[in-house]
Amino acid sequence: DTEVTQTPKHLVMGMTNKKSLKCEQHMGHRAMYWYKQKAKKPPELMFVYSYEKLSINESVPSRFSPECPNSSLLNLHLHALQPEDSALYLCASSPPAGARMNTEAFFGQGTRLTVV
Amino acid sequence: DQQVKQNSPSLSVQEGRISILNCDYTNSMFDYFLWYKKYPAEGPTFLISISSIKDKNEDGRFTVFLNKSAKHLSLHIVPSQPGDSAVYFCAASAKRASNTGKLIFGQGTTLQVKP
Repeated sequence: DTEVTQTPKHLVMGMTNKKSLKCEQHMGHRAMYWYKQKAKKPPELMFVYSYEKLSINESVPSRFSPECPNSSLLNLHLHALQPEDSALYLCASSPPAGARMNTEAFFGQGTRLTVV
Repeated sequence: DQQVKQNSPSLSVQEGRISILNCDYTNSMFDYFLWYKKYPAEGPTFLISISSIKDKNEDGRFTVFLNKSAKHLSLHIVPSQPGDSAVYFCAASAKRASNTGKLIFGQGTTLQVKP
């Protein structure tokens, strides 16, 4: 199983809504990531969790709140978003960088988020 | 400050010919480089990677070359197939320095392979 599963695939939410994006992997990876990708731009890192602990927050606004309940799950809680937050949100996982030098990150299919 | 650059937004090649996608980087701490392929509305799919201790890595039709002195890498696809048409992202990480697996992506190159 080399799959990272993200739900939902599409989400439309109002600026006052609270919603959550979910990500799951069963590859035994202990590093999980949230990336954001705007149209015609590269993915940009938002958060890194290593062994279920937040290790990197790339100065992301507090309206995005990550959570790692266990080694297989990663959530992104959304509250009071702005229309400019509309993007493709990608989850990824990888073995911790120290485990093996040559390791790649596996990405999910993403959640297409539209804030109205 | 773009640490990973793909200067060609698009590339068009004929089926059966070679596709060469280029990538430049500025951060000398990068020690691991990857190429991802992406279709619209899907997540990036890993293609091939190379560690900074090597200058070439080959996997089937895909070969990545690394020139550390020039801070340049390239992806060669031979022979190109119409199914290779997608956006290709170059990515880099500084594993020894940061130990986080954080990837920095280039802007992407859209490859079109014509039948």
